[in-house]
Amino acid sequence: DAGVIQSPRHEVTEMGQEVTLRCKPISGHDYLFWYRQTMMRGLELLIYFNNNVPIDDSGMPEDRFSAKMPNASFSTLKIQPSEPRDSAVYFCASSFFVHEETQYFGPGTRLLVL
Amino acid sequence: KNQVEQSPQSLIILEGKNCTLQCNYTVSPFSNLRWYKQDTGRGPVSLTIMTFSENTKSNGRYTATLDADTKQSSLHITASQLSDSASYICVVSPPNDYKLSFGAGTTVTVRA
Repeated sequence: DAGVIQSPRHEVTEMGQEVTLRCKPISGHDYLFWYRQTMMRGLELLIYFNNNVPIDDSGMPEDRFSAKMPNASFSTLKIQPSEPRDSAVYFCASSFFVHEETQYFGPGTRLLVL
Repeated sequence: KNQVEQSPQSLIILEGKNCTLQCNYTVSPFSNLRWYKQDTGRGPVSLTIMTFSENTKSNGRYTATLDADTKQSSLHITASQLSDSASYICVVSPPNDYKLSFGAGTTVTVRA
């Protein structure tokens, strides 16, 4: 298995632009998580899906952030409009079960908003 | 206040030497504790996982210990190699909850 796949790996954009991050979870995993990692705050859970349905989006910082999972093999995290404080590494992770199960992380997307 | 505190924040060791990383947590109750290794530019990868009833778990040159009474865990790296240079993150899982508590990580640099 190729593991969790994320694209793009790097994204540089200007403030106000729309940014779309993509994720392909490991086949067969029913749970998908989006995280953000910064030096100041470490890893933070933004949202997670179970069987393509968003279960908890309480970690999404504000309405500028949205996430979708149209099918079991694809998810997107969108930021519109982007701001410099959104600069971070965004990780997607997946797992078989949600509780007490190892989450497998993708390589991340490093986002820089100028 | 973060429920998982790690120390030191960073350390530098010479190749072949041993080192120990610390993790103190306040998450209670908890189901399991994991140590993840994160190489630069990559996502975290699970190294060890221990339930609250386990005291130690090894993965090659990595040995994790857990003291549930004092709520402390350590990760010991034996005979360090250059490839051990990475950030090591302690992660605690509450029972029946998906919200993991992440430590800020310890950055280890191994020098030849």
